[in-house]
Amino acid sequence: EPEVTQTPSHQVTQMGQEVILRCVPISNHLYFYWYRQILGQKVEFLVSFYNNEISEKSEIFDDQFSVERPDGSNFTLKIRSTKLEDSAMYFCASTSGQSYEQYFGPGTRLTVT
Amino acid sequence: RKEVEQDPGPFNVPEGATVAFNCTYSNSASQSFFWYRQDCRKEPKLLMSVYSSGNEDGRFTAQLNRASQYISLLIRDSKLSDSATYLCVGTSGSARQLTFGSGTQLTVLP
Repeated sequence: EPEVTQTPSHQVTQMGQEVILRCVPISNHLYFYWYRQILGQKVEFLVSFYNNEISEKSEIFDDQFSVERPDGSNFTLKIRSTKLEDSAMYFCASTSGQSYEQYFGPGTRLTVT
Repeated sequence: RKEVEQDPGPFNVPEGATVAFNCTYSNSASQSFFWYRQDCRKEPKLLMSVYSSGNEDGRFTAQLNRASQYISLLIRDSKLSDSATYLCVGTSGSARQLTFGSGTQLTVLP
């Protein structure tokens, strides 16, 4: 069964450093998303991506964040200058767009020290 | 702004019990609804979509009442493996991004 994959599973970085989180969505899916979940809190929407551009973003997704689909398979989330409060699980998700059921990757745990 | 509200629990039930979770949502423009389950420190996994006509998948039954803005999930004959956090989820926006409830924690006891 096809699945969303994410790397790395855990990333530790120092405050102010740049990080890139990587995702490979399900191959025939067209809509891609990033969500985050701070420990003990709800899963929150960050950004959606369709047809090689951002389609929607939340107020969390400020200028420090960017997304890219550099090739036909990878979908990346970059945080330019990490803050302590960026520590969270970051989930990538994708959907074909026919049913809008989204499938999640296993997540990247980001720890900012 | 669309919000999804759930009773956080925890629900502790014996194996074999029937348990029901409820969820309410604001913003009647919400389009689609789902139940996801999330195990500790894992990703949300899609359990089932929720339709106004109600839908059933084995031991699981989901129902949507748009007039009352209410969603339910019924689990019959609970198994130990059903222990997880159950997330009520709606979609909004042109990109159909998901809005998650805070989750209801279920523990099925032997």
